[in-house]
Amino acid sequence: ILNVEQSPQSLHVQEGDSTNFTCSFPSSNFYALHWYRWETAKSPEALFVMTLNGDEKKKGRISATLNTKEGYSYLYIKGSQPEDSATYLCAFATSGSRLTFGEGTQLTVNP
Amino acid sequence: GAVVSQHPSWVICKSGTSVKIECRSLDFQATTMFWYRQFPKQSLMLMATSNEGSKATYEQGVEKDKFLINHASLTLSTLTVTSAHPEDSSFYICSATRTSGFYNEQFFGPGTRLTVL
Repeated sequence: ILNVEQSPQSLHVQEGDSTNFTCSFPSSNFYALHWYRWETAKSPEALFVMTLNGDEKKKGRISATLNTKEGYSYLYIKGSQPEDSATYLCAFATSGSRLTFGEGTQLTVNP
Repeated sequence: GAVVSQHPSWVICKSGTSVKIECRSLDFQATTMFWYRQFPKQSLMLMATSNEGSKATYEQGVEKDKFLINHASLTLSTLTVTSAHPEDSSFYICSATRTSGFYNEQFFGPGTRLTVL
């Protein structure tokens, strides 16, 4: 059984604050690490797919880093906005498309 | 592009009835579709992997006779919860894969909330 853990479970920040969350995953048999953003009543939206140790990816104010040797990934949001409020999921893949998800970090950005 | 729809978005049914959930890839052909289930305060759990024209592969602990999956075309997969019971009440969500480079991106539907009375 693969164990993917995300922390914190939930987070409340003020508009303009920068924030980050963690995804921990097994360091063996690594294939890819996915980050998704999931707003209520919508489909999870793919943010990043990361495959190489040391990878850093950026999309606007959101960025992510990957450490496959120690089994963690960080997601950073710079200057949080209310529209960033969502649940952020990470998912670990050992091969192909089969994903194991963490429980998610629920972010609330207060105006 | 890469939109996946799911229907219905919510359903309430009586215990003992069967419920069918559809998952469609609207603007691409999906080689594989996946079905997940999420219970409150838990992570998305993979139930089964579905390939067009072949039998679905079920995860350990998922009853294949209870959760019937049909993948009749490259754009449609259906999940039928047969003889539903209150413990089947959950959030069911599908995804469809499209090959991009060397890995298969998964695109998710918005999910279906099933409540069994």
